[in-house]
Amino acid sequence: AQSVTQPDIHITVSEGASLELRCNYSYGATPYLFWYVQSPGQGLQLLLKYFSGDTLVQGIKGFEAEFKRSQSSFNLRKPSVHWSDAAEYFCAVGVYNQGGKLIFGQGTELSVKP
Amino acid sequence: DVKVTQSSRYLVKRTGEKVFLECVQDMDHENMFWYRQDPGLGLRLIYFSYDVKMKEKGDIPEGYSVSREKKERFSLILESASTNQTSMYLCASSFRDMNTEAFFGQGTRLTVV
Repeated sequence: AQSVTQPDIHITVSEGASLELRCNYSYGATPYLFWYVQSPGQGLQLLLKYFSGDTLVQGIKGFEAEFKRSQSSFNLRKPSVHWSDAAEYFCAVGVYNQGGKLIFGQGTELSVKP
Repeated sequence: DVKVTQSSRYLVKRTGEKVFLECVQDMDHENMFWYRQDPGLGLRLIYFSYDVKMKEKGDIPEGYSVSREKKERFSLILESASTNQTSMYLCASSFRDMNTEAFFGQGTRLTVV
């Protein structure tokens, strides 16, 4: 069965430090992979997506993610975190089944220290 | 600007009530989804629909049903609300092609007392 695992429930980083959020997926075919961000009281916003081609994808707000097929991973990175990045981050895999549906991970809550 | 609109931000209902959560999208999307969001559990798919009158069960359909009579509207129904259905409910929509993103509503926080 398809699944997504985000091993870190909560991460705290200092402002200006680098960030990496982990995501592992289980899916038999070539995956469609997404990262979404949810700020407090807000809906989910797409940060970036991977379908094929270059395994390093760039997104909004200075985020990037790298697809590693051998490790079944799609980790999110940012070189320098800003206080406004504090939010919950969700990794998702797209599954084709009479249309498409998204399977989400458990989410990682990011806190940013001044 | 694309929009997915959920009818209520906050709802308080009593145990045993029949509850309707409404979602409308204005993007002519084929796919529509209902998710439930709980701390530490992420988003769990309740039901999705890939066309009018078509529906598929997600991972946690028990206690819920859905209706899609028009392409733009997808309703989630709690037949007899229970306290364990207290949660945040998120609606989303997308084109059928997975090469596009899903757009989410703001969510409905439902409390069952």
